[in-house]
Amino acid sequence: EAAVTQSPRNKVAVTGGKVTLSCNQTNNHNNMYWYRQDTGHGLRLIHYSYGAGSTEKGDIPDGYKASRPSQENFSLILELATPSQTSVYFCASGWGPNTEVFFGKGTRLTVV
Amino acid sequence: QQKVQQSPESLSVPEGGMASLNCTSSDRNFQYFWWYRQHSGEGPKALMSIFSDGDKKEGRFTAHLNKASLHVSLHIRDSQPSDSALYFCAASEPNYAQGLTFGLGTRVSVFP
Repeated sequence: EAAVTQSPRNKVAVTGGKVTLSCNQTNNHNNMYWYRQDTGHGLRLIHYSYGAGSTEKGDIPDGYKASRPSQENFSLILELATPSQTSVYFCASGWGPNTEVFFGKGTRLTVV
Repeated sequence: QQKVQQSPESLSVPEGGMASLNCTSSDRNFQYFWWYRQHSGEGPKALMSIFSDGDKKEGRFTAHLNKASLHVSLHIRDSQPSDSALYFCAASEPNYAQGLTFGLGTRVSVFP
């Protein structure tokens, strides 16, 4: 079973602070994704990556940066957190288009 | 406008009954469809994919795709309490790097 591990699982941050969400996958998948899940909006793609060193903007990238320093690791960075970024964030990995995507258990972020 | 639309928003089914979920797309570029299931506190997990017109059966789950109308359905036979979850329909274009576009989900509750 493909494994995607997110940390932390829960995070409370202050408005204006910097937040880093981390993701590790042991599947050797090329593609990794960051989504956020909000009631009424489903799962929305923030950033994705083809492989180490690459990051691409998804559908809602504003206010977020991403970093893919290695095949296994993909981080989501909120440089100046805002309450509107309170959400549940999911990291996922997969071999590429048209293939199954494997999700982590999620990080619940609350910005106060 | 949501590119992948799901109905109903929620569904209550008696244990042992049949649950039927619907999904339509407004984008004719979508060729590949997936059903994902998310239990409370977990990340989504792929149930099944369907890429060709017609039916695809996996155990108690049957998906049906009509590419002409861009309609895909999921039928859960002999529903079990463990089937209570949020079900997402997801679609993708061939070789589209961003991967899947998700609907808002259908919440299924199986009652005894």
